[in-house]
Amino acid sequence: AQKVTQAQTEISVVEKEDVTLDCVYETRDTTYYLFWYKQPPSGELVFLIRRNSFDEQNEISGRYSWNFQKSTSSFNFTITASQVVDSAVYFCALTSSDSNYQLIWGAGTKLIIKP
Amino acid sequence: DSGVTQTPKHLITATGQRVTLRCSPRSGDLSVYWYQQSLDQGLQFLIQYYNGEERAKGNILERFSAQQFPDLHSELNLSSLELGDSALYFCASSVPAQGGAGELFFGEGSRLTVL
Repeated sequence: AQKVTQAQTEISVVEKEDVTLDCVYETRDTTYYLFWYKQPPSGELVFLIRRNSFDEQNEISGRYSWNFQKSTSSFNFTITASQVVDSAVYFCALTSSDSNYQLIWGAGTKLIIKP
Repeated sequence: DSGVTQTPKHLITATGQRVTLRCSPRSGDLSVYWYQQSLDQGLQFLIQYYNGEERAKGNILERFSAQQFPDLHSELNLSSLELGDSALYFCASSVPAQGGAGELFFGEGSRLTVL
């Protein structure tokens, strides 16, 4: 069965610190897709990134970076020089044919950035 | 702005009542998904429609039903409401060409409070 684990329920850091959100997944499929979504206090879910299982290249987008490691089944998300506006709940998700391409969601990590 | 429109944004009603939540997907998206997010359950997939046809069913209660109309907008009907149905209900749409593994674009959600 597929599973996504975000072991960090809540993380609190001071602005400008770097922070890494962990995501560990389980799947039997060799082809799968991983996602990160952000849910700010206003409530909407915002798509951040999609990664397929054949692309292990790390991705950087401004202050955001993602580290995909198949060897450890992890897809971690790092925010560099965090800002108060980064405060949100972040969800990691997985999909593949095993789930009929429905998203399997992690429980989310609440990130609090203190000024 | 994701391009997915949900109405109403907030809804307060009483137990036993029935409500209808409406969703307009992004232009060109044929798939519509409904999710429920409550404090204790996280994000729960309810149902997916593709071009008017039901594509996948998740943890949707029998008291709930949905449909997608020829103009591709979708409605989620919740009946015989219980206190536990209080939640944020999200609609999402996706690009069909992605074969189900594409990113979902979420609306801002409809917050339902059952008193």
